[in-house]
Amino acid sequence: GAVVSQHPSWVICKSGTSVKIECRSLDFQATTMFWYRQFPKQSLMLMATSNEGSKATYEQGVEKDKFLINHASLTLSTLTVTSAHPEDSSFYICSARTGTSVPEQYFGPGTRLTVT
Amino acid sequence: AQSVTQPDIHITVSEGASLELRCNYSYGATPYLFWYVQSPGQGLQLLLKYFSGDTLVQGIKGFEAEFKRSQSSFNLRKPSVHWSDAAEYFCAVGARGGYQKVTFGTGTKLQVIP
Repeated sequence: GAVVSQHPSWVICKSGTSVKIECRSLDFQATTMFWYRQFPKQSLMLMATSNEGSKATYEQGVEKDKFLINHASLTLSTLTVTSAHPEDSSFYICSARTGTSVPEQYFGPGTRLTVT
Repeated sequence: AQSVTQPDIHITVSEGASLELRCNYSYGATPYLFWYVQSPGQGLQLLLKYFSGDTLVQGIKGFEAEFKRSQSSFNLRKPSVHWSDAAEYFCAVGARGGYQKVTFGTGTKLQVIP
């Protein structure tokens, strides 16, 4: 149980274009999903917290107009990197919580984004 | 704000040897504590968690961790390491209340030699 999927697993896009990453909870309803960014050989940095049906809460320093997050249903959250640049290249990981009183998160397999 | 310190960036152990990965946290009260493992190019898998109660928690793959409030530590242990345990290990602390934000340590890379 508590499986989270991400799509695509890797994507290459040209500078200036936008790319959308999907995060799905497959066997549970996720009221809260999280988006992280991980640079090579570094830890996970929380980008934003998204609750179903409401606006995402972004961490300090994360551009909300650049990283658009939508959590339209209890099983799907999307991250859109707009006008991507090479410095946006990274490993993006989503996670989901199974309940509001349960703090543990279940992680997706990640999406490798390369901007050329 | 909460924080996590994993003082060992890289650890090498022989297969069959015991393992202890260190984790220290900073938080105003008793936090939620987690250990996750990440294989290259993969997401994170939860090994074990501490919420309350017994301070020695058992996890998957033969791992255990002990919460020591006096030392603000949550060290991960395994009595006998297998080659398949080679991976990156992350300790994390979760806040109680609010969005229950989880903060990750910088990770410890475990290398297992035959």
